[in-house]
Amino acid sequence: KQEVTQIPAALSVPEGENLVLNCSFTDSAIYNLQWFRQDPGKGLTSLLLIQSSQREQTSGRLNASLDKSSGRSTLYIAASQPGDSATYLCAVSPVGSGNTGKLIFGQGTTLQVKP
Amino acid sequence: SQTIHQWPATLVQPVGSPLSLECTVEGTSNPNLYWYRQAAGRGLQLLFYSVGIGQISSEVPQNLSASRPQDRQFILSSKKLLLSDSGFYLCASGQGYEQYFGPGTRLTVT
Repeated sequence: KQEVTQIPAALSVPEGENLVLNCSFTDSAIYNLQWFRQDPGKGLTSLLLIQSSQREQTSGRLNASLDKSSGRSTLYIAASQPGDSATYLCAVSPVGSGNTGKLIFGQGTTLQVKP
Repeated sequence: SQTIHQWPATLVQPVGSPLSLECTVEGTSNPNLYWYRQAAGRGLQLLFYSVGIGQISSEVPQNLSASRPQDRQFILSSKKLLLSDSGFYLCASGQGYEQYFGPGTRLTVT
């Protein structure tokens, strides 16, 4: 059974710091891995999607890497800003889910960037 | 791009009362639809998904049910709510591997 784990559960950093969020998954048989952002009391916004054949994706100050064989992904945030404060979730799409598009989520890392 | 509407935004219901949460999707046709629940301090748990009208798959045994009466309408229901049904309910729409999420409904069962 696929399990997704995110460490740490919470992180507080001063503004301007570069930071890394970690995600691990137990079964390397995945189609892709996604990183989402969730603001308090809100829905999820997709940040980056990495296909299983890719090693990384970049969007602005965000860079996500994927090492499928070791079951790990990292989300790197450069020059963090208070507006980056949110919960970040990673999710994998397991092989065998067919056309259902099912995702398995980690529990998230809650980031606070202090001005 | 897709837009997901959910209502109500918040709901307080007594134990044993019925429930109906609605989700509608704009900007796409024939999407896969999903209901998730997020308990406090926990990740998202997939409750139901649907790949077409009238096609519902349940991921976990529970007190809830789902229906898809129209292509872009997804409804989450319960005949009698339990305290453990409290949580943040999210509807999502997807095609391929991307999912778009609605704003969520905060349900408190008292």
